[in-house]
Amino acid sequence: KAGVTQTPRYLIKTRGQQVTLSCSPISGHRSVSWYQQTPGQGLQFLFEYFSETQRNKGNFPGRFSGRQFSNSRSEMNVSTLELGDSALYLCASSRGGAADTQYFGPGTRLTVL
Amino acid sequence: GQQVMQIPQYQHVQEGEDFTTYCNSSTTLSNIQWYKQRPGGHPVFLIQLVKSGEVKKQKRLTFQFGEAKKNSSLHITATQTTDVGTYFCAAGTTDSWGKLQFGAGTQVVVTP
Repeated sequence: KAGVTQTPRYLIKTRGQQVTLSCSPISGHRSVSWYQQTPGQGLQFLFEYFSETQRNKGNFPGRFSGRQFSNSRSEMNVSTLELGDSALYLCASSRGGAADTQYFGPGTRLTVL
Repeated sequence: GQQVMQIPQYQHVQEGEDFTTYCNSSTTLSNIQWYKQRPGGHPVFLIQLVKSGEVKKQKRLTFQFGEAKKNSSLHITATQTTDVGTYFCAAGTTDSWGKLQFGAGTQVVVTP
């Protein structure tokens, strides 16, 4: 079975721009969760989508949004980028949800200049 | 709110030595999971513990869930260079509303 894939792997943007990241889960997994990883804050939960509905949300501003498609693929969007948004964005899929075993993708390294 | 504290933050180990990393919570956990992230990589699931006092082994790694289900430990014996990476615990709790609380991780450096 193919693992979780994320595109792009690396991205450089400037402040004020917006960005869209994509995640394809493991086949058969209906839950996709997004995490932000930074050296200072560790792994922070952004949100979870299950069957195209946002089921869980972390403590991030509204500039961070996501969606899930009928094939379980998910996208995450960050608008009006700030320098502090520079991070590794990890997507994880699971069978049952965000509290279930998380299968992480390789991540997208976002740098905001 | 609920926090999962992981100690130590850094662990320098001589190859061949043993070490332990700990995960502590102030509230009762429903389950605990452990992940390993190699440098430049992504977290990879290692194991899940659910029962009070549960002990599971994977080769040189021993995972334990406390009797009160408020703490967990990962013990590695005879450390090898392949053990380098950051080990995270992730806890499911009744207040976490269906998501995992990740600890800050223990970064392990192995000296040959």
